[in-house]
Amino acid sequence: EVQLVQSGTEVKKPGESLKISCKGSGYSFTNYWIGWVRQMPGKGLEWMGIIYPGDSETRYSPSFQGQVTISADKSISTAYLQWSSLKASDTAMYYCARHFGPSRYYSFGMDVWGQGTTVTVSS
Amino acid sequence: SSELTQDPAVSVALGQTVRITCQGDSLRSYYASWYQQKPGQAPVLVIYGKNNRPSGIPDRFSGSSSGNTASLTITGAQAEDEADYYCNSRDSSGNPPYVFGTGTKVTVL
Repeated sequence: EVQLVQSGTEVKKPGESLKISCKGSGYSFTNYWIGWVRQMPGKGLEWMGIIYPGDSETRYSPSFQGQVTISADKSISTAYLQWSSLKASDTAMYYCARHFGPSRYYSFGMDVWGQGTTVTVSS
Repeated sequence: SSELTQDPAVSVALGQTVRITCQGDSLRSYYASWYQQKPGQAPVLVIYGKNNRPSGIPDRFSGSSSGNTASLTITGAQAEDEADYYCNSRDSSGNPPYVFGTGTKVTVL
C-alpha cells in the first residue's frame, strides 16, 4: 500500500525550533516530488513547497521562502519540514503529499496525502 | 504569482447537479486538479488532468476546462459529497510552482 505517514502532534513555544517528518512507503520514494501544505485553523489549503528526494531539488512558495526549510533523507524515505524559530502564526495543520505525473517536471496533482501534523505554537 | 479564485460556497439539492468553478490565468495553460476535504480529514484527489478520476472516486465527479476556468461537476450529488473542494494548478510564472484555489464549501440539502 502506498502511504505517507507523518509525525505526531507538536506543542511548542514561540522561538523554539521544530522538524516534522513524512515517511513514504510502498513506492519508489526517490522518484516522486513530495509537497508540503499548510492549513491554518478554519482556513484553506496553502501550497508551501516541494522536494524531489532523488537529488533534494527544492522549490518554495515566496510566501514561505526563508520561513521554513524542506529537506529529505532518501535512505529512510523521509521528507522533513522545519522551522528555526516558531511564531504563533505557524499554528496550523501541515500535510505532506506526493506529486505524481508523466514526467519529473509535469505533475498531475497530489495523489497520496499524509494524515497531517498539528503544530500549536503558544506561550 | 497568479491566483485561483473559487466561489466561497454553493448548495445543491440531494440528487441534483452542482458545478464548482476555479478561475485563474494559469488555467489557460495548465489543467487543474481537484481535492475534496471533509472536516477533520486530509484532502483527497478527485479529478486530475483533462478529466481523470483516481481509483475509487465515483463517476459522478467530472472535470472540464475552458479558457481561464476549470470546473468540477458533481452529477447526482450525495449527502457524503458535502465537503470543501479545492482546485490546484501550476502557476504560469513558475513562482510559486503550484497554487491552491480559495476553496468552495459544498452543502447538500
